Amino acid sequence: KQEVTQIPAALSVPEGENLVLNCSFTDSAIYNLQWFRQDPGKGLTSLLLIQSSQREQTSGRLNASLDKSSGRSTLYIAASQPGDSATYLCAVKETSGSRLTFGEGTQLTVNP
Amino acid sequence: GAVVSQHPSRVICKSGTSVKIECRSLDFQATTMFWYRQFPKQSLMLMATSNEGSKATYEQGVEKDKFLINHASLTLSTLTVTSAHPEDSSFYICSALSGGFYEQYFGPGTRLTVT
Repeated sequence: KQEVTQIPAALSVPEGENLVLNCSFTDSAIYNLQWFRQDPGKGLTSLLLIQSSQREQTSGRLNASLDKSSGRSTLYIAASQPGDSATYLCAVKETSGSRLTFGEGTQLTVNP
Repeated sequence: GAVVSQHPSRVICKSGTSVKIECRSLDFQATTMFWYRQFPKQSLMLMATSNEGSKATYEQGVEKDKFLINHASLTLSTLTVTSAHPEDSSFYICSALSGGFYEQYFGPGTRLTVT
């Protein structure tokens, strides 16, 4: 059974700092990996999707990497802003089906 | 990007009543839709997978007679919480998958409170 773990569970940083969120998964046979953002009481916003054959994806200040063989992904946020404060969720899609398995999330607070 | 809507966004109901939540894919046809629930400060837990025109597949521990799922068209799936109880209070989120199985698109969620 696939298990997804995110570290740290919570993170508080001053504005402008670069930061890294970590995601690990137990079964490397994945189809893709997705990073989401969730604001309190809201649904999920997809940030980046990395196919299993890819190593990284970039969008603006966000960069996500994938090391499938070691079962790890990182989300790098450059020059963090208070508006980046949210919970960030990592999810993997298994090769054998179309379900997503989510991590517990990292709650990020960027202080002005 | 593709848009998924949910209705209602928030609902309060009395214990023992049934509540229906709709999930619609607005600009694409969704062969598969998923229903998740999320408790405060926890991650999403998959409840069931529904494919258009067939019965939903429920995750272990999810009562199919309590959480009725219907996926009658390629753009609409509904989740009905029957005989709701306070412990059913949660945030319910749906997602839709296009035919290419490439990316899931999530709805904004429905906050259910059972009093």
